[in-house]
Amino acid sequence: QVQLVQSGAEVKEPGASLNVSCKASGYTFATYGISWVRQAPGQGLEWMGWISVYNGNTNYPQNFQGRVTMTTDTSTSTAYLELRSLRSDDTAVYYCARNGMAPDFWGQGTLVTVSS
Amino acid sequence: QSVLTQPPSASGTPGQRVTISCSGSSSNIGSSPVNWYQQLPGTAPKLLIYINNQRPSGVPDRFSGSKSGTSASLAISGLQSEDEADYFCAAWDDSLNGVVFGGGTKLTVL
Repeated sequence: QVQLVQSGAEVKEPGASLNVSCKASGYTFATYGISWVRQAPGQGLEWMGWISVYNGNTNYPQNFQGRVTMTTDTSTSTAYLELRSLRSDDTAVYYCARNGMAPDFWGQGTLVTVSS
Repeated sequence: QSVLTQPPSASGTPGQRVTISCSGSSSNIGSSPVNWYQQLPGTAPKLLIYINNQRPSGVPDRFSGSKSGTSASLAISGLQSEDEADYFCAAWDDSLNGVVFGGGTKLTVL
């Protein structure tokens, strides 16, 4: 069965970077893209961008450009999210999701708390 | 403030039919398929409906989706207590060149 397993919760200081991993199994990793979506406490969903596992192409929304990098490692079927220059309003649960016709299977989420 | 507009809450009694609306514009719902997600408390979102009205394997046919112009709707018939969750709509936005979500609708089963 399709599974996406993310790395564990993190606490970061303002100005630091977060790195979240997302290990996929149960399907051919390179045939789907990976989207990243975050959810601030008690809030809705915010799309952070997408990466093609096949060729590494990325698409980041304007509000994250310059601060986010998405990568994949096909040898380990793992996707990575890096977000730099963290602020308190980056506190959220970060999700990876397999991108078929839509983000379909989601990871369990990684809580990232930004606090001094 | 979300690009797609959903009512913040909805409610119904067991067995009832409820609908949740999602309003957008010509750059998103008007030109792209709509997807719906269910998020149970403390869990990751789950794809409920894709391409306006398609159900992934395992999703009961009590859930149905529709789209007309720049609006979409999710209907849940035969409401059950386990349907109590947050529901989000999503679509691609050509102007923003990205995925946009609705703010979510909290469904309460009375």
